[in-house]
Amino acid sequence: KAGVTQTPRYLIKTRGQQVTLSCSPISGHRSVSWYQQTPGQGLQFLFEYFSETQRNKGNFPGRFSGRQFSNSRSEMNVSTLELGDSALYLCASSLDSRNEKLFFGSGTQLSVL
Amino acid sequence: GENVEQHPSTLSVQEGDSAVIKCTYSDSASNYFPWYKQELGKRPQLIIDIRSNVGEKKDQRIAVTLNKTAKHFSLHITETQPEDSAVYFCAAGYQKVTFGIGTKLQVIP
Repeated sequence: KAGVTQTPRYLIKTRGQQVTLSCSPISGHRSVSWYQQTPGQGLQFLFEYFSETQRNKGNFPGRFSGRQFSNSRSEMNVSTLELGDSALYLCASSLDSRNEKLFFGSGTQLSVL
Repeated sequence: GENVEQHPSTLSVQEGDSAVIKCTYSDSASNYFPWYKQELGKRPQLIIDIRSNVGEKKDQRIAVTLNKTAKHFSLHITETQPEDSAVYFCAAGYQKVTFGIGTKLQVIP
């Protein structure tokens, strides 16, 4: 079974631009969560989707948005990029709706210049 | 919402010694507590978990204990080896999984 796939692996953008990151969960998993990882800040929760519905959202500005498609694939979008958005963005999928046993992708490393 | 505090942030131990990482959580409704290990440049991976109806769980050299009354849980690694060097994250929460800040464990050969 293929693992969680995130594309692209690396992104370099400039301030003010927007970016879209993609996540394909493990086949059969209907739940996808997104996290921002920065040195010293751990894993900060962005949002979580189950069956195309956003059930939970973290404390991030409205520039961060996401969605989930009927095939459980998910995208997150960041508009008007700021330098502080530079981070590793991880998505994780789970078989159950409670999000126990998360399976993480390798992440997208975003650099904002 | 859930708040998870984790300490220490860094931990250095000699190979063969034990390591203990502690976490506290705030939401008394939480009933599932996983631990993830992230090696350098790799994705986090679940290494052990515990449910609120269990006080302790062991898997070879790693064990997790839970004190629901005090709302804290701990990861214990015995007979540490260099390959145990990584960042360890505790977590809690239902649907929205909240992670601790992480503990960077260094095992010195």
